[in-house]
Amino acid sequence: EAEVAQSPRYKITEKSQAVAFWCDPISGHATLYWYRQILGQGPELLVQFQDESVVDDSQLPKDRFSAERLKGVDSTLKIQPAELGDSAMYLCASCPTPGQGLSGANVLTFGAGSRLTVL
Amino acid sequence: QQQVKQSPQSLIVQKGGISIINCAYENTAFDYFPWYQQFPGKGPALLIAIRPDVSEKKEGRFTISFNKSAKQFSLHIMDSQPGDSATYFCAASGGGGNKLTFGTGTQLKVEL
Repeated sequence: EAEVAQSPRYKITEKSQAVAFWCDPISGHATLYWYRQILGQGPELLVQFQDESVVDDSQLPKDRFSAERLKGVDSTLKIQPAELGDSAMYLCASCPTPGQGLSGANVLTFGAGSRLTVL
Repeated sequence: QQQVKQSPQSLIVQKGGISIINCAYENTAFDYFPWYQQFPGKGPALLIAIRPDVSEKKEGRFTISFNKSAKQFSLHIMDSQPGDSATYFCAASGGGGNKLTFGTGTQLKVEL
């Protein structure tokens, strides 16, 4: 079964340091998402890509977060500088081009996530 | 602004019992309502989903009930098993986009 690959699985860093997370979506999935999940809460969308273009980054804290998907395949999410409040699980998800998929539904497949702890 | 409200926050059910999780939404443009299951250390996985043109969808022991007029939907897990112990999230999307808005999650524990 195809999976969304993410790395690293765990990252511990000190505040003010830079961190980066990598995601490789399911082959052929044009849409890629980064979500942030704070412990005990539901995932919240940070950024959505359609191929290499950003579709929605309205919830991305752009003063410290950046995301790119240069060739429209894998993606990197960067935080610089990290703050204590950034401690969370960072989830990547992908799906077929919007409007396609199972019965036209928006079937997201999530990766296992990257857990960030900022000390 | 929380657009999808989920309850309860946690739930304990005896093996063989029925687990019921409820969600309410505000945005009438939502037209797709999935439920995701998440085990510790894993990403959420799609469990079952419904569109508002039907009032109920059943897949095995899992059933979604949908009430469009009340803007509510619920997940029913029949014959709950210890392996069902996980966190369940309702979600919604629509309005021309495909951004999923998630509820806050329900931690389900099924006891023997």
